[in-house]
Amino acid sequence: GIQVEQSPPDLILQEGANSTLRCNFSDSVNNLQWFHQNPWGQLINLFYIPSGTKQNGRLSATTVATERYSLLYISSSQTTDSGVYFCAVGATDSWGKLQFGAGTQVVVTP
Amino acid sequence: GAGVSQSPSNKVTEKGKDVELRCDPISGHTALYWYRQSLGQGLEFLIYFQGNSAPDKSGLPSDRFSAERTGGSVSTLTIQRTQQEDSAVYLCASSFQTSQETQYFGPGTRLLVL
Repeated sequence: GIQVEQSPPDLILQEGANSTLRCNFSDSVNNLQWFHQNPWGQLINLFYIPSGTKQNGRLSATTVATERYSLLYISSSQTTDSGVYFCAVGATDSWGKLQFGAGTQVVVTP
Repeated sequence: GAGVSQSPSNKVTEKGKDVELRCDPISGHTALYWYRQSLGQGLEFLIYFQGNSAPDKSGLPSDRFSAERTGGSVSTLTIQRTQQEDSAVYLCASSFQTSQETQYFGPGTRLLVL
């Protein structure tokens, strides 16, 4: 099946800093989503972005499907950004299955 | 409803017992998914429903696991003869019509098998 690798595995940021999270995948996809899992375990969808660039407030994401990677940018980080960020992809030959990466654990310190 | 809801929030059971987990998707969403999250395995896909049909059951780990969806809405995940390795958080998600859309997750059911 499709492989999903996220980097870095852990990230410690000071409040106000910017960061970039990366997601590499091993095959063609028709579905790519970024999620934030907060400290209470709730998964929140950040972006549906199988290709192109999107922005939502301090967050933005870019997927270059032809080169099999996606980037999530966090600007002016806040303590509420802490949690685990997951990239999940759906291969072109799959139905509804999303394959999740292992996640990036982000801690934002005051 | 306003979001995906799941019940129970927590379930403790003894090894060998059967359990049923329930998912209520967002009203009007035709696509529904089950995943589980455990420390050792991360987030794993279990099954995908489109309406009442399940085009993809490839993630169900054994024949002890089954799921159904009735009326194109509520879904139940059943685990028979539970084992300790079934302990995990079981997550349900839904999307509006197709799988190529934003998936919205419920809060999960935390299952502990003693």
